[in-house]
Amino acid sequence: AQSVTQPDIHITVSEGASLELRCNYSYGATPYLFWYVQSPGQGLQLLLKYFSGDTLVQGIKGFEAEFKRSQSSFNLRKPSVHWSDAAEYFCAVGPATGGGNKLTFGTGTQLKVEL
Amino acid sequence: DAGVIQSPRHEVTEMGQEVTLRCKPISGHDYLFWYRQTMMRGLELLIYFNNNVPIDDSGMPEDRFSAKMPNASFSTLKIQPSEPRDSAVYFCASTYRGAGGYTFGSGTRLTVV
Repeated sequence: AQSVTQPDIHITVSEGASLELRCNYSYGATPYLFWYVQSPGQGLQLLLKYFSGDTLVQGIKGFEAEFKRSQSSFNLRKPSVHWSDAAEYFCAVGPATGGGNKLTFGTGTQLKVEL
Repeated sequence: DAGVIQSPRHEVTEMGQEVTLRCKPISGHDYLFWYRQTMMRGLELLIYFNNNVPIDDSGMPEDRFSAKMPNASFSTLKIQPSEPRDSAVYFCASTYRGAGGYTFGSGTRLTVV
């Protein structure tokens, strides 16, 4: 069974500081990996995705993530955080074949940005 | 495209009443998913459809929950009778063959009192 672990429930960073949110997954085959962001009262918005190829993927809002197969990780990074990045972030994993099959989401990491 | 549209945005109902949540997926998307989000359990997949056919409803908590997709542009999630523990935010999401990930609606916040 596929699973996703986001070990940090809450993270607080200062505006302008760098950010790394951790994501570890368990999956028996080649996974599709995603990061979503959820602002208060809103739905989830796709930040970036990894399907194959270059293990460093770029997303919207200046975010990037690196797929490390040996560590089963897909950590999200941003070099300089803005106050508007305060939100909840979800990592998700899904099958690489049978497109459209259900994603498994992590429990989320709540990001607080201090001014 | 207007994205995935859910209605209502907020619903407050009394225990025992029937509740119907609505979703309009993005045109052309062939998969539709219903999720429930709570503080305690996070995001839970309730059911998903492919080409209007239910594929996996193993996440539906009990018989009080039912979902339909009568056509490619409309789906409903019904709870009858509703209970306070059903209070949550319910999200609908759609995708085309999984490519690019899901597009989520803004959700329906359900409060059962």
